[in-house]
Amino acid sequence: GAGVSQSPSNKVTEKGKDVELRCDPISGHTALYWYRQSLGQGLEFLIYFQGNSAPDKSGLPSDRFSAERTGGSVSTLTIQRTQQEDSAVYLCASSSPRGGGQETQYFGPGTRLLVL
Amino acid sequence: AQSVTQLDSQVPVFEEAPVELRCNYSSSVSVYLFWYVQYPNQGLQLLLKYLSGSTLVKGINGFEAEFNKSQTSFHLRKPSVHISDTAEYFCAVSQTSYDKVIFGPGTSLSVIP
Repeated sequence: GAGVSQSPSNKVTEKGKDVELRCDPISGHTALYWYRQSLGQGLEFLIYFQGNSAPDKSGLPSDRFSAERTGGSVSTLTIQRTQQEDSAVYLCASSSPRGGGQETQYFGPGTRLLVL
Repeated sequence: AQSVTQLDSQVPVFEEAPVELRCNYSSSVSVYLFWYVQYPNQGLQLLLKYLSGSTLVKGINGFEAEFNKSQTSFHLRKPSVHISDTAEYFCAVSQTSYDKVIFGPGTSLSVIP
């Protein structure tokens, strides 16, 4: 079946503008994660959804970052008033419980964000 | 809090030679351990994972890793590398099966013909 998809694949924006990044998880996956990959910080966890609720938002770097998930499927990560330090690749992953209760996170290709 | 250390930021190795990429973690509780690979301009792909049971874990593309609880290590090995193994390798931990994954800084493996 289809993997995790993300859009857009690339986004260039001006400092101060808002951006929305979209993630379509694998069908049936109940858990959804957002990560950020940047040169200076490596791979960082941002937020985790279980269904439509977000039990762990501990990685969101500031109140300019928010995310929502509707219908237990698609998720949108919104960055308001973008700053140059927000430039990074934003990765989405999804997972689902199996018979043994263990999961693997499947990653999408990412959205490359450049803030000018 | 959990953390992951990958001491080698870059590892050059000749084709068909063996390679070991080191990973150490710190955690006050039991963890799940993973190795992910990221090929140039591509997304993350799971190589292998340790959840419980046998400490020697075999993954895709001929890679294997051994969990050593006393040394808190999860080193990745391959007996003979190929040019196509050139990529960034990330060691990672999570506390539960649904938990966020904490990644190490990555090791860049370059296979030299």
